[in-house]
Amino acid sequence: SQTIHQWPATLVQPVGSPLSLECTVEGTSNPNLYWYRQAAGRGLQLLFYSVGIGQISSEVPQNLSASRPQDRQFILSSKKLLLSDSGFYLCASDATGGAGVNEQFFGPGTRLTVL
Amino acid sequence: GENVEQHPSTLSVQEGDSAVIKCTYSDSASNYFPWYKQELGKRPQLIIDIRSNVGEKKDQRIAVTLNKTAKHFSLHITETQPEDSAVYFCAAITLTGGFKTIFGAGTRLFVKA
Repeated sequence: SQTIHQWPATLVQPVGSPLSLECTVEGTSNPNLYWYRQAAGRGLQLLFYSVGIGQISSEVPQNLSASRPQDRQFILSSKKLLLSDSGFYLCASDATGGAGVNEQFFGPGTRLTVL
Repeated sequence: GENVEQHPSTLSVQEGDSAVIKCTYSDSASNYFPWYKQELGKRPQLIIDIRSNVGEKKDQRIAVTLNKTAKHFSLHITETQPEDSAVYFCAAITLTGGFKTIFGAGTRLFVKA
């Protein structure tokens, strides 16, 4: 099965500072990759998804961006963080399987606090 | 766009009772419906799933039902235990844009001992 690595696990950043969160995937090739944000006590909000290298789709307008420089690497970035960017960021991966659709595997998450 | 509605947002049951969480999806192209359990501070974990060619699936105390005509699917937990307390998310996989997963808003389940 797939293994997803995320780092850092926790991060405290001042408002206006840049952000870079990294996600890497093992155990599969050509996965679909996703970035979700979960605010405290809230559901999962899809931020970006990628079906291949260099292919990024954005779900909500925001000051975040994503990049996929390699097949199994997905990066979430910001040039200037806002207070509202605080939350639990989850990277997820699934693999297209023809007629069968596979489950999404989640990384351990990064807890971001913007002060 | 596509969306998934999940109810209730909070559910409190007595240990041993059953719990039911319901979801409704909008995209008729959805064909895979997983349920995730998320304990406090941890990542969501898949607990059960169902595909569109099946109406019901059971795994010990957990079952999921799907009504494709009505675009409803539900999670049923029987003989609830305190360790079942968590947030549960339903999701629907759509076929447009590369198997994009749409999550429900989550249900916080409290099981009282």
